[in-house]
Order: sequence, then structure tokens, then C-alpha cells
Amino acid sequence: DVKVTQSSRYLVKRTGEKVFLECVQDMDHENMFWYRQDPGLGLRLIYFSYDVKMKEKGDIPEGYSVSREKKERFSLILESASTNQTSMYLCASSPSLSMGGYTFGSGTRLTVV
Amino acid sequence: AQSVSQHNHHVILSEAASLELGCNYSYGGTVNLFWYVQYPGQHLQLLLKYFSGDPLVKGIKGFEAEFIKSKFSFNLRKPSVQWSDTAEYFCAVTGGNSGYSTLTFGKGTMLLVSP
Repeated sequence: DVKVTQSSRYLVKRTGEKVFLECVQDMDHENMFWYRQDPGLGLRLIYFSYDVKMKEKGDIPEGYSVSREKKERFSLILESASTNQTSMYLCASSPSLSMGGYTFGSGTRLTVV
Repeated sequence: AQSVSQHNHHVILSEAASLELGCNYSYGGTVNLFWYVQYPGQHLQLLLKYFSGDPLVKGIKGFEAEFIKSKFSFNLRKPSVQWSDTAEYFCAVTGGNSGYSTLTFGKGTMLLVSP
């Protein structure tokens, strides 16, 4: 089975901290994604990457950046965490952008206090 | 930008009742359509998908969905729900317009099935 592993299940950070969320996939997928999930808002795409060192903004990139130095790893960075970034963050990988086949990780629940 | 609308945020059913969850999308061109499910405490899983061909798509666990192009709809159905179907359901779409086409999700429908 494809596995997408997110390094932390729960995180609590202080306002203003720099936060790194890590994601690793083990199936050699070209594409990786970061979504945030909020009640009543569904999943919203923050950033995605279609190749190593390549990245594209999603629908809500403000306040976030990403890094993809290796094919299997995609990091989400909150440069200066704020309370409105308290959310569930989901990483996914896929062999294709538009044909679906996204495999999701279990998520990281981030609380910014 | 494309958008996905799910008609109900919360649905409560008794076991053995029939289920239909509505989904409409905004993009008028070629689309790929998906339903995902998230059981309590678990990661998102694919229920079913439609790319082309027969507009009635069967997925896992007895779910099916019908693509009606004229209505821009892709409703999810199940004839008889079980308590174990309690979960959040997300409709999603990718469209073939210019540029990158990633999955756009609806806001989700929380289904609670009472035993």
C-alpha cells in the first residue's frame, strides 16, 4: 500500500514561531500536496509540487511556504505561526494531478496558542 | 476557478434508510469526479471516481454515484446505510482547463447513522 506519513499527529506551537510540518511518501509519486481541513470549509489546497524543487500555489498560500528537496519529502512551513492557522493539515501524494489517485496521510492537528 | 457545492452539511439517518448526497460542480468542460470518505479518526479514502463512460459508477462498500452532465451533478447514493457508514463525505473534482488541475473539494457532508 502507498503510505503517506506525516511526522506529527498533534502539534502545539506559540504565535510567531516558525513551524515545520513534514510529509514523506514511499511510492515514488511525482506530485505532492498540502491541504488544510477546517470544519464546514472542507479541504483547501495550500501548495502542491509536481517535481523536486518545483512548487505551485494553491487556493490559500498566504502565510505558508513549502520545500521539496527530495522526491519523497514535502515540507510545509509556517514562517510565523498565527492563531488563524490552527487547523488540521493533510498531506497527499499522487502519480497524477488530474486523474485523482491521491493518497492522504493521517493529518497533523496544529494548534497555535 | 472551479468550485464544488455539497447540498447538505449534516445528514442524520436511521440504519437501513436510503442515502443520497448531492454534489454540483461549476466547471463546464471535461471533468473527473470523485467521492472521498473520512471515517472518524481515519484518513481520507477514495470511495469512487468517474472519468468517462457509463455515468453510473459503483464504488466500495455498496456506494454508487451518477454523473448527470446537464445538471453538473455527481450525487452519491446507497440503498441501505449501516451504522458503520457514519463518516464525513467529500465530493471533489478536477477539470481540464488550462494550467494545473488539482483536486478541488466540496465542504463535506457529515453523515450520522443511528442504529
